[in-house]
Amino acid sequence: DGGITQSPKYLFRKEGQNVTLSCEQNLNHDAMYWYRQDPGQGLRLIYYSQIVNDFQKGDIAEGYSVSREKKESFPLTVTSAQKNPTAFYLCASSPRWTGGRSEQYFGPGTRLTVT
Amino acid sequence: AQSVTQPDIHITVSEGASLELRCNYSYGATPYLFWYVQSPGQGLQLLLKYFSGDTLVQGIKGFEAEFKRSQSSFNLRKPSVHWSDAAEYFCAVGDNTDKLIFGTGTRLQVFP
Repeated sequence: DGGITQSPKYLFRKEGQNVTLSCEQNLNHDAMYWYRQDPGQGLRLIYYSQIVNDFQKGDIAEGYSVSREKKESFPLTVTSAQKNPTAFYLCASSPRWTGGRSEQYFGPGTRLTVT
Repeated sequence: AQSVTQPDIHITVSEGASLELRCNYSYGATPYLFWYVQSPGQGLQLLLKYFSGDTLVQGIKGFEAEFKRSQSSFNLRKPSVHWSDAAEYFCAVGDNTDKLIFGTGTRLQVFP
């Protein structure tokens, strides 16, 4: 079955450690996205990639980094510079980049807890 | 800049009752509008979308939404709610040059 997988579902880290969240899709989609979700704040865009080997900062990119070396993979690294990393992280993809016209398909999410 | 507002943070309905979730957007031209649903601890699933044409759009799971340009609204409706509809619902708006902007969500609780 085609879809988006995120692993692990729950992740625990100590403060000061970098952590990488995995996102893989087998939908052959060009565009991929990372969102952060906090209670009462909806979804906020961290980074997006329109095509392989290219990515752009979203609205809250500080303290995060990404790579897009393969079409199907878009890992997100939460660095120690991110002041409040504890959150639910969602990865999404769309067939091609069309800005706000893109229907996005979401993975199941990773809940990161940093103590 | 475009924005989307979901005025209701939490709504409670009885099973079998009708439902309307409100969404208001701010954008100068005709926007692209979406409704997504999220079950607890899960990702988002697209319910329906509006790009152009008929202002009443049908979605999955018996949901529909109506685009009203004069009111800058895109409210989600369902004639009879089922207990399995309990979830969080997100409205989103986009255009052809910018990213997708999500509202803060409305949590739906369904009582038997």
